[in-house]
Amino acid sequence: AQSVTQLGSHVSVSEGALVLLRCNYSSSVPPYLFWYVQYPNQGLQLLLKYTSAATLVKGINGFEAEFKKSETSFHLTKPSAHMSDAAEYFCAVSRVSGGGADGLTFGKGTHLIIQP
Amino acid sequence: NAGVTQTPKFQVLKTGQSMTLQCAQDMNHNSMYWYRQDPGMGLRLIYYSASEGTTDKGEVPNGYNVSRLNKREFSLRLESAAPSQTSVYFCASTAGLAGVETQYFGPGTRLLVL
Repeated sequence: AQSVTQLGSHVSVSEGALVLLRCNYSSSVPPYLFWYVQYPNQGLQLLLKYTSAATLVKGINGFEAEFKKSETSFHLTKPSAHMSDAAEYFCAVSRVSGGGADGLTFGKGTHLIIQP
Repeated sequence: NAGVTQTPKFQVLKTGQSMTLQCAQDMNHNSMYWYRQDPGMGLRLIYYSASEGTTDKGEVPNGYNVSRLNKREFSLRLESAAPSQTSVYFCASTAGLAGVETQYFGPGTRLLVL
């Protein structure tokens, strides 16, 4: 079964500092990996996704993530945090069932706090 | 386009009551999903429908039923609500398989079961 572990339920950084949110995955097959962001009282929206085309994936709002197979990791980074980045971030891996890859397994989420 | 819409936004139920959460998408997507979100648990898949006329269980299906009414609509029913079903429920859709393609989420339904 696939699983996702996000290290740190809360991460606090200063405005302008590097953002690093950690995600490790477990998958019996080559995975598709995703980062979603959730702003307060809203649904989730896609930040970026890895689908085996390139190991360094660029997403919206200046975020990027690097797929490292040897470390089974897909950490999310942003060089300079902005106050508007404060949100909940979820890493997810594709579910694999008898019918093929369908649905997502999500990590528990990391709440990003930006200090002024 | 409205994207994915959900009704109601909020609901309070008493234990044992029933209700149906409605979801609709206007993106002509084939696949639709229901998740529940609980504090510290992330999102967990309840049921999904890969295409019109098909539904499958996800990770936490007990206590729920679903209906894929047509390509646009996918409803989630609680026949006899329990306090453990207090949660935020999200509907999502994708053009193809969600394991590969982007999922588009609705704004959520907050459910409190007393």
